[in-house]
Amino acid sequence: DAGVIQSPRHEVTEMGQEVTLRCKPISGHNSLFWYRQTMMRGLELLIYFNNNVPIDDSGMPEDRFSAKMPNASFSTLKIQPSEPRDSAVYFCASSLGEGGEAFFGQGTRLTVV
Amino acid sequence: GENVEQHPSTLSVQEGDSAVIKCTYSDSASNYFPWYKQELGKGPQLIIDIRSNVGEKKDQRIAVTLNKTAKHFSLHITETQPEDSAVYFCAARYPTGNQFYFGTGTSLTVIP
Repeated sequence: DAGVIQSPRHEVTEMGQEVTLRCKPISGHNSLFWYRQTMMRGLELLIYFNNNVPIDDSGMPEDRFSAKMPNASFSTLKIQPSEPRDSAVYFCASSLGEGGEAFFGQGTRLTVV
Repeated sequence: GENVEQHPSTLSVQEGDSAVIKCTYSDSASNYFPWYKQELGKGPQLIIDIRSNVGEKKDQRIAVTLNKTAKHFSLHITETQPEDSAVYFCAARYPTGNQFYFGTGTSLTVIP
């Protein structure tokens, strides 16, 4: 398996623009997580899905952030409008079942200027 | 919710020495404790994990210990090598739901 695949690897955008981050989980995994990593706050869970259904989105910072999982093999995290403080590395991870290990993608480094 | 604390934040050791990273958690219901290694520019990679029904687990040079009573768990790396240099994260997970709560990370430097 190729592991969790995220795209793009790097994204530079201007403040106010819409940004869409993409994730393909490991085939067969039924839980998917979006994390944000910054120096100040470390790894923060933004949202997670179980069987394509959002279970906990309490970590989503504000209404500018939204996430979808239209099917078992694809998820998006959208920021609209983007702000400089959204600059961070965003990770997607997936796991199998509630007892499974979580595997991370390589991350998307977002820079909002 | 669960609160995971990790120490130290930075650690430097001479090649060949041992490194120990410690974490504490707040919720006694947490039952799964993975450790991740993150190299520069990459995502965290699972290196070892332990479940609450086990006190110790070892995989070659890496071992993890769990003290449920004290609610702390530790990562031990023996015979450290320069390629062990990375940021290490501990995490804890509840038995219900699937959220992982991460520590703040330890930057390990192994000096050749």
